[in-house]
Amino acid sequence: GENVEQHPSTLSVQEGDSAVIKCTYSDSASNYFPWYKQELGKGPQLIIDIRSNVGEKKDQRIAVTLNKTAKHFSLHITETQPEDSAVYFCAATLYSTLTFGKGTMLLVSP
Amino acid sequence: DTEVTQTPKHLVMGMTNKKSLKCEQHMGHRAMYWYKQKAKKPPELMFVYSYEKLSINESVPSRFSPECPNSSLLNLHLHALQPEDSALYLCASSQVETGGFNEQFFGPGTRLTVL
Repeated sequence: GENVEQHPSTLSVQEGDSAVIKCTYSDSASNYFPWYKQELGKGPQLIIDIRSNVGEKKDQRIAVTLNKTAKHFSLHITETQPEDSAVYFCAATLYSTLTFGKGTMLLVSP
Repeated sequence: DTEVTQTPKHLVMGMTNKKSLKCEQHMGHRAMYWYKQKAKKPPELMFVYSYEKLSINESVPSRFSPECPNSSLLNLHLHALQPEDSALYLCASSQVETGGFNEQFFGPGTRLTVL
């Protein structure tokens, strides 16, 4: 089955800095890579995703890049704000089943 | 309506109780999912329903019994649970994708405590 590694497990930044979270996956057949943000006491919220036929996708302050050859993908958040503080999960889809990374706790200090 | 709702938000039950968790979506999605999430861990897939039929059961103990009465509703019946079953139970829904592009939308979860 698919295996997803996510780093770092915790990331602390100052407001206005950029944050980068990296994930690698094991199965080259995976073709869809969503990112979820989970705030305390809430369910995961889909914030951005990328398909295997695309190398980069951007939505305002959030961008995701995918390197299929290296089997890794990354989330980039620019101009971080305190409300970006949450746990972020990457995931890879194989045969319509999501496999999640272990999560990154992002802390943005004012 | 782009929301997945779950009830109740919190549930405390004894090991001999029978209870049910409910999930509802009105996005026209024909795939629905139950996940279990322990603290500081990612969601773990339990069950998948596709067109109201159980398509995936990730070796979940029989004390968890899923039910999909129609395309908008998903239930999880609980009986004789153990304290280690205490967790956040998440429901999600998606289109049934043949190409594997599986955009899943999650509900807020039910926080379950088993005493």
